[in-house]
Amino acid sequence: ETGVTQTPRHLVMGMTNKKSLKCEQHLGHNAMYWYKQSAKKPLELMFVYSLEERVENNSVPSRFSPECPNSSHLFLHLHTLQPEDSALYLCASSQDRGTGANVLTFGAGSRLTVL
Amino acid sequence: AQSVTQLGSHVSVSEGALVLLRCNYSSSVPPYLFWYVQYPNQGLQLLLKYTSAATLVKGINGFEAEFKKSETSFHLTKPSAHMSDAAEYFCAVSPTPMKTSYDKVIFGPGTSLSVIP
Repeated sequence: ETGVTQTPRHLVMGMTNKKSLKCEQHLGHNAMYWYKQSAKKPLELMFVYSLEERVENNSVPSRFSPECPNSSHLFLHLHTLQPEDSALYLCASSQDRGTGANVLTFGAGSRLTVL
Repeated sequence: AQSVTQLGSHVSVSEGALVLLRCNYSSSVPPYLFWYVQYPNQGLQLLLKYTSAATLVKGINGFEAEFKKSETSFHLTKPSAHMSDAAEYFCAVSPTPMKTSYDKVIFGPGTSLSVIP
């Protein structure tokens, strides 16, 4: 596989369930991101990992818990979610070259529905 | 703080007509600028980027954008629309020079492009 792969593509869960979203990048990048895309709202940056260390957490509720075990894998653990958390969750990666623009490569997303 | 605005949440053009999607940014210094496209049921894909070289930037699929500092704009154009261009288009900005290895990319709200046969 190439690029950024996200699984599952679709997930339906109840408010009391615990589930996880998985992201894997095959590009050798050293930074990974979780974005939330809701209808009629700008893309929201949730978490950033650079060299496997979390470097940004944009006031995301604790019911979302990220994990980055290595530079190729990123997880988003979900528990006791709310219906307003229903959205498309996008994973992205980028390569730090020290200079130049931060170009993001996105996965296809995981469509989450919370009942 | 940097921000991005996209005029028009939805744009419709006829097949073969000019495509013009507008993007304006606010920044104290010229930033890096990007256009990304999102096709249905897919993630975002980079169309083109401006990184302070040529002000007219050519991208994939026949798209191009022109950086105009005096207007703080980075509008996206394509001379002739194709049905396959129907998608969501996002303008984005990031600071220059980069302060960290993961400098934040700020996305605009997006413009949905429809192409009418």
